Amino acid sequence: EVQLVESGGGLVLPGGSLRLSCAASGFTFSNYWMSWVRQAPGKGLEWVANMKQDGSQKFYVDSVKGRFTISRDNAKSSLYLEMNSLRAEDTAVYFCARIHYYDSGGYNRWWDSWGQGTQVTVSS
Amino acid sequence: DIVMTQSPDSLAVSLGERATINCKSSQSLLFSSNNNNYLAWYQQKPGQPPKLLIYWASTRESGVPDRFSGSGSGTDFTLTISGLQAEDVAVYYCQQYYGSPPFTFGQGTKLVIK
Repeated sequence: EVQLVESGGGLVLPGGSLRLSCAASGFTFSNYWMSWVRQAPGKGLEWVANMKQDGSQKFYVDSVKGRFTISRDNAKSSLYLEMNSLRAEDTAVYFCARIHYYDSGGYNRWWDSWGQGTQVTVSS
Repeated sequence: DIVMTQSPDSLAVSLGERATINCKSSQSLLFSSNNNNYLAWYQQKPGQPPKLLIYWASTRESGVPDRFSGSGSGTDFTLTISGLQAEDVAVYYCQQYYGSPPFTFGQGTKLVIK
């Protein structure tokens, strides 16, 4: 069974930092593009970042570029999101999600598995 | 960036009736080389992560009841729930995965029982 379990969320002051983790199990993690998607309180879903299987490609939504860094450790089947210079508008539940695999190994597919999410609150 | 717009924002439907949710993209999601529309639908219940329902605009994910169906092509898409059941109360999102990031979602449609 595919499982994605996020951790590392919490309350942080504006301008502060936080590191989220996502532990994957039940599949060959190194075969998949992985993503972070967030949801602000009472709002819709927003894609945050993608990372290629070998870490050689990363993409970010404009609002987090230069502040957030996605990374992975395939040996530990784990995905990370380093968040710096946090702002109130970064307050959200952050989901780890797996992009459906296909032969050419690209990212143009749907998210087929999601974690339960971890809450990040940026407030003074 | 591709903008996804859903309608309506909220929808009240009686049990057993049909629910129809629309999604419009600001550019075509049809990739001519494989004739696929790069659009997915998700269901999200309170306190839960999104759940994939439909991909390629009309292909049902394994295990999804056949009362859920997707249709449309190009820029206009529809999610239909035939024979609404109480457990279908949720927020529904369309999402495009065409081309380069960002991969954008519609704003969501809240479905409730009338």
